[in-house]
Amino acid sequence: DGGITQSPKYLFRKEGQNVTLSCEQNLNHDAMYWYRQDPGQGLRLIYYSQIVNDFQKGDIAEGYSVSREKKESFPLTVTSAQKNPTAFYLCASSTDRKYEQYFGPGTRLTVT
Amino acid sequence: AQTVTQSQPEMSVQEAETVTLSCTYDTSENNYYLFWYKQPPSRQMILVIRQEAYKQQNATENRFSVNFQKAAKSFSLKISDSQLGDTAMYFCAFGRDFGNEKLTFGTGTRLTIIP
Repeated sequence: DGGITQSPKYLFRKEGQNVTLSCEQNLNHDAMYWYRQDPGQGLRLIYYSQIVNDFQKGDIAEGYSVSREKKESFPLTVTSAQKNPTAFYLCASSTDRKYEQYFGPGTRLTVT
Repeated sequence: AQTVTQSQPEMSVQEAETVTLSCTYDTSENNYYLFWYKQPPSRQMILVIRQEAYKQQNATENRFSVNFQKAAKSFSLKISDSQLGDTAMYFCAFGRDFGNEKLTFGTGTRLTIIP
């Protein structure tokens, strides 16, 4: 079955450590996205990539970095510069023929 | 920049009743797409329905339908014969008509279906 996988489901890190969240899709979608979800704030776009080896900052990119070396993969690194990293992170992908985005199951990151 | 506003943070309705969730948006674009996504307690985002702005006919998907008022920039979701499985957060989202464009989401409405 085609879909988007995110791992792990829960992630715990100590403050000051970088952490990388995985996102893989086998839908053959060109575009991929990372969102952050906090209570009462909906989904906020961190980074997105419309094609391999290219990506753009979203609304809240500070303290995050991404790479897009393969069409199937779009990992997100939460760096120690991110002041409030504890959140739920969602990855999505889309194809330009359908416009809507398909989402992974998400990763809950807790930094203490 | 586009903005999406959902003015109802929480709603509840008895099972089998009909409920309408509100969404307004602001844009200078003429062609765009609007979406309603559902996020149940599992937190998996699920597409409920989509509407193309160039279509005058309101989209429907089984028990879900929208009331799209382009001039008023309003996009409400109606859920008929509500079921316990409809309990979820519902997000309205806006996307420009360029394909693979980022979506702008509202802050969501938490809907509870009461047995």
